[in-house]
Amino acid sequence: GDSVTQMEGPVTLSEEAFLTINCTYTATGYPSLFWYVQYPGEGLQLLLKATKADDKGSNKGFEATYRKETTSFHLEKGSVQVSDSAVYFCALILYNQGGKLIFGQGTELSVKP
Amino acid sequence: GAVVSQHPSWVICKSGTSVKIECRSLDFQATTMFWYRQFPKQSLMLMATSNEGSKATYEQGVEKDKFLINHASLTLSTLTVTSAHPEDSSFYICSASGRDESSYNEQFFGPGTRLTVL
Repeated sequence: GDSVTQMEGPVTLSEEAFLTINCTYTATGYPSLFWYVQYPGEGLQLLLKATKADDKGSNKGFEATYRKETTSFHLEKGSVQVSDSAVYFCALILYNQGGKLIFGQGTELSVKP
Repeated sequence: GAVVSQHPSWVICKSGTSVKIECRSLDFQATTMFWYRQFPKQSLMLMATSNEGSKATYEQGVEKDKFLINHASLTLSTLTVTSAHPEDSSFYICSASGRDESSYNEQFFGPGTRLTVL
């Protein structure tokens, strides 16, 4: 069935380090892909999205490219900040199931000064 | 645009009481609303999907008599946890998607409601 797999956390980095959080998916059809961020005690915020193969989503220095050949949507940032500490969720949307989202398990990122 | 609010943001109740959580789309018409539950350090678990004016579709394993969902208008959905027990304590998050181009192909999330049942 449809699923999303993320690298396990927690990920701990020093400020200004390079970030990669891996995300791979299994889906029938051609889903849109998303990265959401959740700060402690809050709901989810959309970070970026891509709707078709080879699309690159970007926002606040974060980027992810929709790779159909490797079924991946890895999140990257060149230089992380302490304020980026949060939990990041990769997700895909199932348009043939009423727009249902399938989430990965989440990856906790902790950035130390 | 595409803002979703939830009320209350947190609630504490006694075991056996019922609690209602509201989810509102503030600047768009939400034809579909989703209700999720999240345990600490875990991902979101979809509980049910509701379309305006029709009965909610519950995910497998979710008790429909326990978690009553109403989506009576294009801007409001409610989740009522009936006869709440401590094991119902959790973070409940709603999301919404609409019918126009700007809100159709993604879900917009509310800030969540922390429920604690004593």
